[in-house]
Amino acid sequence: NAGVTQTPKFRVLKTGQSMTLLCAQDMNHEYMYWYRQDPGMGLRLIHYSVGEGTTAKGEVPDGYNVSRLKKQNFLLGLESAAPSQTSVYFCASSFNSGGASYNEQFFGPGTRLTVL
Amino acid sequence: KNQVEQSPQSLIILEGKNCTLQCNYTVSPFSNLRWYKQDTGRGPVSLTIMTFSENTKSNGRYTATLDADTKQSSLHITASQLSDSASYICVVSGPTSGYALNFGKGTSLLVTP
Repeated sequence: NAGVTQTPKFRVLKTGQSMTLLCAQDMNHEYMYWYRQDPGMGLRLIHYSVGEGTTAKGEVPDGYNVSRLKKQNFLLGLESAAPSQTSVYFCASSFNSGGASYNEQFFGPGTRLTVL
Repeated sequence: KNQVEQSPQSLIILEGKNCTLQCNYTVSPFSNLRWYKQDTGRGPVSLTIMTFSENTKSNGRYTATLDADTKQSSLHITASQLSDSASYICVVSGPTSGYALNFGKGTSLLVTP
């Protein structure tokens, strides 16, 4: 049982390049989330998904797109990377909403992205 | 506006000593409060989760307390170990916040020999 995995672990992009971050979970969780973590700030929600084929915007969605074609996978895409997107990206999953419900969000190990 | 404030920002203690981390929040109404431990270069891992009706929750040497009236929580670490060196994040959610969790900025704890 690997839990939540993320690939790649590190990536360096040039401004304007595109890339996709992959998140996979093997816990059969319905809900998945993408966060970014910047120095001196708390984690901020980018996008989330409440089930296969559904996605929704979080607090800071601009410049990112997501897809949830399979229940176990949640992809985060950057179409045209900008230096402001330099950050550590975390994926998380939960049985249901991590907000109002008691359920716990399980986090992946993170992807460190640098945009030059 | 950040609705979850943590203090201190950073803390250094000697191995074997106890310490207490603070979390003040303004999220209202309140549903639950969580403490996460985040080791350097890793994702956050849940330590405790408390609802508004719970005053205390323990997980080994970690004990979290909650005062929903004053909107304060604390995380007490007993007999600290070098492996406790990490960032500790307070996360608060309300019943109407849906999928959005309110994350504190974290307290960075360093335990030295």
